[in-house]
Amino acid sequence: AQTVTQSQPEMSVQEAETVTLSCTYDTSESDYYLFWYKQPPSRQMILVIRQEAYKQQNATENRFSVNFQKAAKSFSLKISDSQLGDAAMYFCAYSFPYGGSQGNLIFGKGTKLSVKP
Amino acid sequence: DTAVSQTPKYLVTQMGNDKSIKCEQNLGHDTMYWYKQDSKKFLKIMFSYNNKELIINETVPNRFSPKSPDKAHLNLHINSLELGDSAVYFCASSQGPAAGNTIYFGEGSWLTVV
Repeated sequence: AQTVTQSQPEMSVQEAETVTLSCTYDTSESDYYLFWYKQPPSRQMILVIRQEAYKQQNATENRFSVNFQKAAKSFSLKISDSQLGDAAMYFCAYSFPYGGSQGNLIFGKGTKLSVKP
Repeated sequence: DTAVSQTPKYLVTQMGNDKSIKCEQNLGHDTMYWYKQDSKKFLKIMFSYNNKELIINETVPNRFSPKSPDKAHLNLHINSLELGDSAVYFCASSQGPAAGNTIYFGEGSWLTVV
């Protein structure tokens, strides 16, 4: 069964510094999608970044980038120039490529990121 | 305009009651979902509908019954509420059920059963 593991329950970063959140997953599929979602205290789930497994190039969205290592089944999120507004829970998610659960997101347990001024 | 909106945002009710949470999306998406986030913040899918038809039904008690009157709406009705049903329930939508489609979430409905 597909699983998503976030091994860091909590992380802390100084404002303007860079932080990397880890995520590993388990799947026997070759094509799939991976996502990072942010959940601030308001509880709104906000998409941060997505990655297609068939693309070797790492996805980037402004200050957010990923390090996608397909062979290692690793999908880490790097936040550069951290801002106070980045403080939130970050969830890594895997999307089933096809079958009865196609499109379903499997979430990790989340990493709580604190940003220190 | 809110893309995925759900009501109520907060709901406190007694055990044994029946309650509903409504969800509407104005994105023109074909697929809608209900996810549950428990007290430990673990998120898990409950149901998925595509064009008003059920496509994903995870292991959820029969007390939970989703209804999709049209593809822009997916409501969740819960019978005989139990303490363990206390959670945040997220409605979401995507363009289609395909894996590559981004899922957009509502703001969540925080249900407390006392």
